[in-house]
Amino acid sequence: QVQLQESGPGLVKPSGTLSLTCAVSGGSISSSNWWSWVRQPPGKGLEWIGEIYHSGSTNYNPSLKSRVTISVDKSKNQFSLKLSSVTAADTAVYYCARAAPVDAFDIWGQGTMVTVSS
Amino acid sequence: EIVLTQSPGTLSLSPGERATLSCRASQSVSSSYLAWYQQKPGQAPRLLIYGASSRATGIPDRFSGSGSGTDFTLTISRLEPEDFAVYYCQQYGSSRYTFGQGTKLEIK
Repeated sequence: QVQLQESGPGLVKPSGTLSLTCAVSGGSISSSNWWSWVRQPPGKGLEWIGEIYHSGSTNYNPSLKSRVTISVDKSKNQFSLKLSSVTAADTAVYYCARAAPVDAFDIWGQGTMVTVSS
Repeated sequence: EIVLTQSPGTLSLSPGERATLSCRASQSVSSSYLAWYQQKPGQAPRLLIYGASSRATGIPDRFSGSGSGTDFTLTISRLEPEDFAVYYCQQYGSSRYTFGQGTKLEIK
């Protein structure tokens, strides 16, 4: 059974870069799935950040595209998120998720809280 | 960008009652790419429905989805205590995903 686990710093300074990794276990990141990042500010709804395929192809949310980079490391069976020039508005729980072939997120990580503060 | 608007914002019902949640899209959505999620406090969302009407693995049959075009509905036939949570709809199109703002289903 595929499981996802996010990791990374819980505190990032304003104007800095947020970096998170999602480790995939119980399955291969090279399967026929896209892998996404989704975030949720405290008390608010869900926002899709972007996705990657094992080939390295990516799609990003246009509202974040200029600041987001998602990459994949097949040797480590993981994918990563970098979000640059962060502000307090980027404070959120960040989830990694697997998109099933039906383009719905069928597996989610537990989420990791990232706070942007000096 | 397709905007999804969910209504009502909050729905207050009692266990055993029927819940009807609405998701309206700003433009037509392929039924193949409309999904519903349940989220409880402190937990990740859980996929309930995909393709507008197909239940995900392990989802009880009291949950059902319907709709097409711009209007979609999630129905919970008889509410159980564990069903009180926040529900989100989500669509996929033009290589991007968007979510509705959520409906909170609370115990009356």
